[in-house]
Amino acid sequence: DSGVTQTPKHLITATGQRVTLRCSPRSGDLSVYWYQQSLDQGLQFLIQYYNGEERAKGNILERFSAQQFPDLHSELNLSSLELGDSALYFCASSAIYSSGANVLTFGAGSRLTVL
Amino acid sequence: DAKTTQPPSMDCAEGRAANLPCNHSTISGNEYVYWYRQIHSQGPQYIIHGLKNNETNEMASLIITEDRKSSTLILPHATLRDTAVYYCIALGTASKLTFGTGTRLQVTL
Repeated sequence: DSGVTQTPKHLITATGQRVTLRCSPRSGDLSVYWYQQSLDQGLQFLIQYYNGEERAKGNILERFSAQQFPDLHSELNLSSLELGDSALYFCASSAIYSSGANVLTFGAGSRLTVL
Repeated sequence: DAKTTQPPSMDCAEGRAANLPCNHSTISGNEYVYWYRQIHSQGPQYIIHGLKNNETNEMASLIITEDRKSSTLILPHATLRDTAVYYCIALGTASKLTFGTGTRLQVTL
């Protein structure tokens, strides 16, 4: 158990629908990151939040949105789903070492299947 | 962030040391070298990081050349459970972590 909790583990839905993925970071970690991994593809960075504020944005579609709440959990909202959105979605949280190094801890992922 | 180059795949016999190379010739002075791995469809797992000095933890050792242009991750006694894709990343403090294609390590009997 990495300490980063993602729910649900598996989700099957239809095209055009909307889903919400949830992430609880490790205790004490202020940053949350979202990544997408399509079948046999690399990990694509989507977005990062730090203490409730958006910190960095990657290749996140306009149909996708995210937020980080005051209790530091984060949600990734995916709307108007398409077949190509089927993927593993990973959340990570990070702690910055006193040295300045930034180490990410990943959750087990949420597997989304769009039919 | 510095670009890293890794071989696409490597094989290693179980019980032997696995030495995974990484080239990061454009690394700047404040960028750390991080190694992560991803075992099939699991969440990526942090292994080790370093700046200038060689580092060792319970999982692996990281050897960084004196000019910092390359590094080697060493798994001292590889097991079948070490079969995974290994990612080498050079990253500054404020940068976002992006993954390349990594090295697919296959540990065999």
